[in-house]
Amino acid sequence: DIVMTQSPDSLAVSLGERATINCKASQSLLYSSNNKNSLAWLQQKPGHPPKLLFYWASTRESGVPDRFSVSESGTDFTLTINSLQAEDVAVYYCQQYLAIPLTFGGGTKVEIK
Amino acid sequence: QVQLQQSGPGLVKPSETLSLTCSISGDNVSRNTAAWNWIRQSPSRGLEWLGRTYYRSKWLNDYALSVRGRMVFTADTSKNQFSLHLTSVTPEDTAIYYCARGWSLPDWSQGTLVTISS
Repeated sequence: DIVMTQSPDSLAVSLGERATINCKASQSLLYSSNNKNSLAWLQQKPGHPPKLLFYWASTRESGVPDRFSVSESGTDFTLTINSLQAEDVAVYYCQQYLAIPLTFGGGTKVEIK
Repeated sequence: QVQLQQSGPGLVKPSETLSLTCSISGDNVSRNTAAWNWIRQSPSRGLEWLGRTYYRSKWLNDYALSVRGRMVFTADTSKNQFSLHLTSVTPEDTAIYYCARGWSLPDWSQGTLVTISS
């Protein structure tokens, strides 16, 4: 199975400041047909199902604010929330879909400091 | 816009079978490029992919190792829905169960908290 390791487990950031979430895959997620990484970022607010933010590592889902950005380097992926807003309080997950079983990171809880 | 509406019981007795159904609107369960997943979430296991069903000239299923042998997926094209059946449940199967579409999971159901208890 592809193991997805997220860090940190949680972080508290002041409103308007930056939050950075890291995700590392245990092996390459490169999909040969399009040369893109099969990596998604999901946001889950309490009492709700996860919501897709990015897919193919860097393709923004419709409606996702541009204060959310991503970067990738090999098997390392980063989600950044620039200028954190109160509505961004949530748990964020990375997820690989290159191979079954689909696997998820353990989640990073983002709170307001 | 694709919507997934889940139905099923919230309480199941140990050793019995858990059955959940996911009804699809905005897409077709038998579309030959689609995949339909079951995922559960618990504090101890986090988000856990259970498997998927999909149609490629015939119905195919992939199951996670953790539930293989106890889990069966079915699909009903007339109702445009798919279902999960998990046999011999134990308290460890207590979780929120979701159905979700595709590979990057752009669409999720609202989830059902299923408690395994006598």
